Amino acid sequence: EAGVTQFPSHSVIEKGQTVTLRCDPISGHDNLYWYRRVMGKEIKFLLHFVKESKQDESGMPNNRFLAERTGGTYSTLKVQPAELEDSGVYFCASTSGTPGSAGANVLTFGAGSRLTVL
Amino acid sequence: AQSVTQPDIHITVSEGASLELRCNYSYGATPYLFWYVQSPGQGLQLLLKYFSGDTLVQGIKGFEAEFKRSQSSFNLRKPSVHWSDAAEYFCAVDDYKLSFGAGTTVTVRA
Repeated sequence: EAGVTQFPSHSVIEKGQTVTLRCDPISGHDNLYWYRRVMGKEIKFLLHFVKESKQDESGMPNNRFLAERTGGTYSTLKVQPAELEDSGVYFCASTSGTPGSAGANVLTFGAGSRLTVL
Repeated sequence: AQSVTQPDIHITVSEGASLELRCNYSYGATPYLFWYVQSPGQGLQLLLKYFSGDTLVQGIKGFEAEFKRSQSSFNLRKPSVHWSDAAEYFCAVDDYKLSFGAGTTVTVRA
């Protein structure tokens, strides 16, 4: 089966510009997650979709970040306007099961989108 | 809230030598624990996981980890490292969403 696909793999933008990151989860995976790792720090949870609905967006840093999941398939994460502190690697992951159940908690991650804000 | 500590930021090991990466967690209930690896230019790959049962779990690429409830630890081990094991390793605990440690970078010298 195809894995989780993210693009672009690397984006370099100026402060104040807009960037949209895309994630295509594994087909049939209802649960989609976004995580972020800023320079040298922990990988942090951003939000969780179940199909097209936002289940948990407690990790979204501020209202400059907007995530969508059209039709419960692919997801986009838009940063507008971008700030220097938004630089980092944005990971997407998906899983088929229900969070909290033992067999469902194995996430498949994409390769990440590296964002550099100058 | 759950948290994960990986005390070692960077470890250098000789090829063929053994490797142990430390992980301590803070979690109130029985944790679901994971080790992920990120090789240069690659995504996060699951090495192994612990949900319940046998406290010594085997993973891919010859890795194993031991869950010790009394020590709140889930250390990762490999008896003999290969140059391809150079990567960054992340321990994680799951409570409906993953909480990661800061990662340990492993350098393998010839």
